[in-house]
Amino acid sequence: NAGVMQNPRHLVRRRGQEARLRCSPMKGHSHVYWYRQLPEEGLKFMVYLQKENIIDESGMPKERFSAEFPKEGPSILRIQQVVRGDSAAYFCASSPRTSGSMETQYFGPGTRLLVL
Amino acid sequence: GQQLNQSPQSMFIQEGEDVSMNCTSSSIFNTWLWYKQEPGEGPVLLIALYKAGELTSNGRLTAQFGITRKDSFLNISASIPSDVGIYFCGSSGNTGKLIFGQGTTLQVKP
Repeated sequence: NAGVMQNPRHLVRRRGQEARLRCSPMKGHSHVYWYRQLPEEGLKFMVYLQKENIIDESGMPKERFSAEFPKEGPSILRIQQVVRGDSAAYFCASSPRTSGSMETQYFGPGTRLLVL
Repeated sequence: GQQLNQSPQSMFIQEGEDVSMNCTSSSIFNTWLWYKQEPGEGPVLLIALYKAGELTSNGRLTAQFGITRKDSFLNISASIPSDVGIYFCGSSGNTGKLIFGQGTTLQVKP
């Protein structure tokens, strides 16, 4: 029973390039969440998606960041024209539902993005 | 906006000692979750709490959902070296997204 999968685990980009981070939720989970963690800090919510829908993107920067969760395939967090301040660990979590005991979120191992 | 205040920020204890950490908020939440994160890894769920007053154990770990729904604590009994890591509380209302505390860094001296 595989957990949340994320790839790549490490990603190095130069300023101005694009970064694509992938997340495959746990089997049977249709809710995906993306969080960002800066060094020595806690996790900050970015976006919450269900299949083909963005439910809450209140934590996403207004520019350069986008996310999708298509009908088929993994969820993608895309960062265009990366800057050094985008360097962080990006975590994906999934849950079966968002109420009661079914809303518990399980995290992937993260993608560590380094912008040179 | 909503935020969780987690304390202490760090702890350095002797193996075998008990540990207690807590999270408080000015807002009411429906769920309290406790995670542990080790270097280079994602947060791993330790205990999930869904009802005010709920007390739940997982081995040497015990956590409680405060009766006011604004706080939670996590206790670790008889600590061992592998307990080392950063412990985060997380909480959610009805929106799905989790709000996290700043983390408690635990170091255990053998």
